[in-house]
Amino acid sequence: DGGITQSPKYLFRKEGQNVTLSCEQNLNHDAMYWYRQDPGQGLRLIYYSQIVNDFQKGDIAEGYSVSREKKESFPLTVTSAQKNPTAFYLCASSIAYSLNTEAFFGQGTRLTVV
Amino acid sequence: GNSVTQMEGPVTLSEEAFLTINCTYTATGYPSLFWYVQYPGEGLQLLLKATKADDKGSNKGFEATYRKETTSFHLEKGSVQVSDSAVYFCALSDRDNQGGKLIFGQGTELSVKP
Repeated sequence: DGGITQSPKYLFRKEGQNVTLSCEQNLNHDAMYWYRQDPGQGLRLIYYSQIVNDFQKGDIAEGYSVSREKKESFPLTVTSAQKNPTAFYLCASSIAYSLNTEAFFGQGTRLTVV
Repeated sequence: GNSVTQMEGPVTLSEEAFLTINCTYTATGYPSLFWYVQYPGEGLQLLLKATKADDKGSNKGFEATYRKETTSFHLEKGSVQVSDSAVYFCALSDRDNQGGKLIFGQGTELSVKP
């Protein structure tokens, strides 16, 4: 079945550590996105990528980094510079340069700083 | 900039009641509009979409009409079920930015009681 797989589902991080969230898709989509979800604030865009080896900052990129070495994969690293990383992180993909198509989402990773 | 505003939740209804969740948007040009649903602990799923003015999107008994004159895309369902309890997000696809990245409202939580 085609879809987006995020792992792990739950992740705990100590303060000062970097952690990497995995996102893999087999939908053959060119575009991939990372969103952060906090209670009552909807989804905010962290980074997005329209093609391999290229990505752009979203609205809240500070303290995060990404890579896009393969079409299927778009990992997100939450660095120690991110002051408030506890949140629910959602990865999505879509057909690039197509404004009418929807985005498909993974099941999310819940990150907690302990 | 472009934005989406939804009615605040939580919304609590009895089974078989009529549902309306208001959504208004601000956008340059003519965005595509979407409703997504999120069940507890999961990612987002597309519920319905509309790509031009006066289009009506529909799915699983839910409907929404793209009203350009009032910049609205209100979600309606004639008779809700307990299984409809979820968080609903209104979103637009930013036509000014190639790649189709989505701008979300803050979400409206719906709770349906038996």
